[in-house]
Amino acid sequence: DAGITQSPRHKVTETGTPVTLRCHQTENHRYMYWYRQDPGHGLRLIHYSYGVKDTDKGEVSDGYSVSRSKTEDFLLTLESATSSQTSVYFCAIAGGSNYGYTFGSGTRLTVV
Amino acid sequence: DAKTTQPPSMDCAEGRAANLPCNHSTISGNEYVYWYRQIHSQGPQYIIHGLKNNETNEMASLIITEDRKSSTLILPHATLRDTAVYYCIVGYSTLTFGKGTMLLVSP
Repeated sequence: DAGITQSPRHKVTETGTPVTLRCHQTENHRYMYWYRQDPGHGLRLIHYSYGVKDTDKGEVSDGYSVSRSKTEDFLLTLESATSSQTSVYFCAIAGGSNYGYTFGSGTRLTVV
Repeated sequence: DAKTTQPPSMDCAEGRAANLPCNHSTISGNEYVYWYRQIHSQGPQYIIHGLKNNETNEMASLIITEDRKSSTLILPHATLRDTAVYYCIVGYSTLTFGKGTMLLVSP
């Protein structure tokens, strides 16, 4: 999607290893979000950021941490990956707190 | 906790209007109504949102009832490419996605 890219697009990792997913935007938007999507659960919010170094937890934040050291990048880290974290991860950006989100294309993560 | 209620699936003939309903009886005064759609495994796509008034853009129209307890997304002339899962969401700064409505547009 224009203005937002996620990397990597696909990743297979082993249980217990650390994993970092990157969300990069060129829109200079203040708000950034990480969601995961699993069959039967829809999209669930993991963490979000409302500015550089300002982050907060979503509904499924256990096992995840985030960092935002500059406006354009929002990193999601799985400190020690587990099989339950196998999922598709979507990043989203928004220009304001009540603006529509623009989503990235997703990262498909498989933990074996 | 589900804030919105949507039918799990709907069908629509190509070229006809698709009217997707959503109930949100517990909506708060500052919460917006948002609509997104997700085609296959792509990232969700923003369609439209509103607070009280009806809204229209190049993709769709949003009709919100006066009491704000329900809304309808209207795709005026559905095409096969509109086949997707449509999510109705109410919220302010963070959005919670439910299971949505699977809209199937057929020739």
